Amino acid sequence: DTAVSQTPKYLVTQMGNDKSIKCEQNLGHDTMYWYKQDSKKFLKIMFSYNNKELIINETVPNRFSPKSPDKAHLNLHINSLELGDSAVYFCASSRADNQPQHFGDGTRLSIL
Amino acid sequence: GDSVTQMEGPVTLSEEAFLTINCTYTATGYPSLFWYVQYPGEGLQLLLKATKADDKGSNKGFEATYRKETTSFHLEKGSVQVSDSAVYFCALSDPGTASKLTFGTGTRLQVML
Repeated sequence: DTAVSQTPKYLVTQMGNDKSIKCEQNLGHDTMYWYKQDSKKFLKIMFSYNNKELIINETVPNRFSPKSPDKAHLNLHINSLELGDSAVYFCASSRADNQPQHFGDGTRLSIL
Repeated sequence: GDSVTQMEGPVTLSEEAFLTINCTYTATGYPSLFWYVQYPGEGLQLLLKATKADDKGSNKGFEATYRKETTSFHLEKGSVQVSDSAVYFCALSDPGTASKLTFGTGTRLQVML
C-alpha cells in the first residue's frame, strides 16, 4: 500500500550511459514532481507535471527528460550520465496547489 | 525569488532537552509553510504545516507558528527523544510558483541518551 514508489532504490552505472527511474503514486493526486538531493542534503525541484502536462522545468539540462504516461506515473530518463548527476532523486505527488507533497523513498544514483 | 534559511547544524541534544530549529523565509506571495523530516536512508515525511499567518502546525510533539511579521516558522519540541534524530527541512510553497517546494538546507538533529 505504498503511496509513492520509486524504482530502482539504488542505481550504479558508468559515465555516458542512459538510465531511467520510475515513479508511481496510488494516492489519486493530480501533480507529480522530481527533486534532486545533492551530497550536502540540499533539495531542489527539477520538474513538475499536472495531469500529464509539464508545469515546471527548473533549468535542468536537456539530458534529463521526464515522461508522464498517465497522471499516476512520472518517469525520469537521463541520457549521457555525468559524474555530477550522482545524487538522490526523489519523486513526490500532491493533490492540488499548496497541498502537502508526499515523497517516495528516493533513488540513489552513483556514477562511476 | 523565494528562499528559505535554516540554522546550520548539526544540533546535538540530550534526551528530554528542548529543541528549537530556526527557519526564516522570503516569498513574493503568501506561501504555505512546511516542516519535513528525513530519517536515515528514507524519503521525506511531512511533519507539520501552516497555510496562513498565525496558524500553528503541530504533530508528534513538534510545533511551529507561521509568523508573517518576522517571516519565520521556527520548529520547537519540548522534550526530544533519541528517535527524533533525523534531518529536518523547512520549506515553502508559493501559490504563484505552481506549488513547487523551496527547501532550506536542512538541519541535522542528533539526540543522545
